[in-house]
Amino acid sequence: DAKTTQPNSMESNEEEPVHLPCNHSTISGTDYIHWYRQLPSQGPEYVIHGLTSNVNNRMASLAIAEDRKSSTLILHRATLRDAAVYYCIDGSSNTGKLIFGQGTTLQVKP
Amino acid sequence: ETGVTQTPRHLVMGMTNKKSLKCEQHLGHNAMYWYKQSAKKPLELMFVYNFKEQTENNSVPSRFSPECPNSSHLFLHLHTLQPEDSALYLCASSQETVWGVTVTQYFGPGTRLTVL
Repeated sequence: DAKTTQPNSMESNEEEPVHLPCNHSTISGTDYIHWYRQLPSQGPEYVIHGLTSNVNNRMASLAIAEDRKSSTLILHRATLRDAAVYYCIDGSSNTGKLIFGQGTTLQVKP
Repeated sequence: ETGVTQTPRHLVMGMTNKKSLKCEQHLGHNAMYWYKQSAKKPLELMFVYNFKEQTENNSVPSRFSPECPNSSHLFLHLHTLQPEDSALYLCASSQETVWGVTVTQYFGPGTRLTVL
């Protein structure tokens, strides 16, 4: 079973920032936090990952709480193309596997 | 072709048919995966291959038979499936998996399978 919890759905307006939360209540000290997203009719795609420090890349930013029990994926300016299911995942440091949960369905309104 | 490709994109089969799903990766990776995504359920890992060797079978029924002839190709052979096997089957690849490290996986677009 997935080890993270996320809201089932969120809405955003186009060109506004979006903050997608995730709880990692059972995360261990060596597990990375990964975010993937799945656009309609496509396979999941990697978004970002981090361990302790906040991370930025061309797609998004990842803010990780100091106790690592929660993280937030930040889309700085949502576009209609960002409408997708967003998954946060604790990378299992024991097995290296990704265990997907239900994710958050993000709807972006024009 | 770039990335991870899967064929066919859509497949309809009867319960007595035998069919195969194909996955090919053009990323130079050494690990490949099969996932199943059923409606309203999370992605389920089915099989993992590292350097052509199966390293994980997540209690998948024997009517699903994977084959990895080389690091670039992965097949899923299907026979005597049930209607509840209807789902999106996703292939992914990554650098070789190492104990203690979770590597980034790159997914194909999936094969939408319908079993009648």
